[in-house]
Amino acid sequence: AQKVTQAQTEISVVEKEDVTLDCVYETRDTTYYLFWYKQPPSGELVFLIRRNSFDEQNEISGRYSWNFQKSTSSFNFTITASQVVDSAVYFCALSEAVNFNKFYFGSGTKLNVKP
Amino acid sequence: KAGVTQTPRYLIKTRGQQVTLSCSPISGHRSVSWYQQTPGQGLQFLFEYFSETQRNKGNFPGRFSGRQFSNSRSEMNVSTLELGDSALYLCASSLSRDRGLDEQFFGPGTRLTVL
Repeated sequence: AQKVTQAQTEISVVEKEDVTLDCVYETRDTTYYLFWYKQPPSGELVFLIRRNSFDEQNEISGRYSWNFQKSTSSFNFTITASQVVDSAVYFCALSEAVNFNKFYFGSGTKLNVKP
Repeated sequence: KAGVTQTPRYLIKTRGQQVTLSCSPISGHRSVSWYQQTPGQGLQFLFEYFSETQRNKGNFPGRFSGRQFSNSRSEMNVSTLELGDSALYLCASSLSRDRGLDEQFFGPGTRLTVL
C-alpha cells in the first residue's frame, strides 16, 4: 500500500532559523515520484519539487534543499534562513508510475515562522 | 498563461441537496484531477479525467461523480450531500505527456459547506 507520513504536525521557528520538514513514504513500486507542495492560507497548492525514484541526487534551490534517501524511504525538505513568508502548510506526496496523477498526500506540516 | 480556475470559490448547501463544481484547466492541459481536503482526512484523491475519460478513481462513494468536456474543462458532482462532505475541493491539471517531467498545477479550490 502507498502511504506518506509527515510526523511533524506543526513547527514554530524564529526568522532566520533553519528548519527541516520530514517525509517518510511507503510503496511497493520500484518507479515512483515524490513531491513537495506548499499551501499558503489562500488554499492553493504551490508546486515546489518533484523527484523521480531513480534519481537520488539531492537538490538545492535558493534557500530550499531536499534530501532523498531510498534506503530510509525519506524525502526531507530543509528551509535555510527561514522567513515569515515561508509560513504555510507543507505537503509531501507520492505517486506511482502507472497512475502518475493519483497523488497520495501526507497529512501536512504547518510551519510558523515568527519575526 | 492563466492558471487553473475553479468556480464557485465558496458554496453553502444543505443536507440532501446536490452540488456541481467546475474546473477549467490550464490551456493545453488534458488531465484534470480532483481532491477533497478535510481537517480529519487530509487531502484525498477523488478521480482523474483524461481526454473525457475517467482514468483513475479514489475510494469515494458513488455520490461523487465527475466528467470532462472536449475542451478539457471538468465538473464534479456530489449528490445527496452529507455534513461530512464539507471540505475544500481542489482541482489540478497537467499536460500528462511525460510522466517523468509532468507536473500538476492546482487551482484555488472550492470551499463547500454543508449545513
